[in-house]
Amino acid sequence: GQQVMQIPQYQHVQEGEDFTTYCNSSTTLSNIQWYKQRPGGHPVFLIQLVKSGEVKKQKRLTFQFGEAKKNSSLHITATQTTDVGTYFCAGQHSGGSNYKLTFGKGTLLTVNP
Amino acid sequence: EPEVTQTPSHQVTQMGQEVILRCVPISNHLYFYWYRQILGQKVEFLVSFYNNEISEKSEIFDDQFSVERPDGSNFTLKIRSTKLEDSAMYFCASKSGRALIDTQYFGPGTRLTVL
Repeated sequence: GQQVMQIPQYQHVQEGEDFTTYCNSSTTLSNIQWYKQRPGGHPVFLIQLVKSGEVKKQKRLTFQFGEAKKNSSLHITATQTTDVGTYFCAGQHSGGSNYKLTFGKGTLLTVNP
Repeated sequence: EPEVTQTPSHQVTQMGQEVILRCVPISNHLYFYWYRQILGQKVEFLVSFYNNEISEKSEIFDDQFSVERPDGSNFTLKIRSTKLEDSAMYFCASKSGRALIDTQYFGPGTRLTVL
């Protein structure tokens, strides 16, 4: 079946350090979405990447979509304590018409002040 | 800003009992979803619903599960005979019918505890 692998599972950083999480799909994606989930909260949409090789920035967050549309990354520059949470990638696979999301396992980011 | 709402926020039930989880999607959305998240694990797709019928379901969504859109606003997930392993956070999500707008908006979730 369609799978999205995400690494690392956990990342602990000192405030001010950078952070990156990576996603890889077993099949080509039509688009990939990134969500943030705070502890005890629900997934909150961050961004969607659609085009091959696309790069999008949101302040300190940089999102990339691979040329083959099978992998993606999220990079946070100079982490802050407010960045704490689990970051999930979620892919929509090509050929699907129901827009269902296949989530990665997520990366739990903790930031030491 | 419009948002997806879910009730109840927490449901405790005995094994074998039926539960109904309720969702009110964003009003002009056309695609509806249920996902679940077992504690500490990833979010898993259960079912998608469009045009008043199930469009896709996962292997998790067996005969014990059903969904319904009984009126123009509510979207429900019923579990007929709950099992211990059904304990999880259940998220409803909805999506606009507009082409190329793929964002799914998630509700706050219902925490289901089966004893």
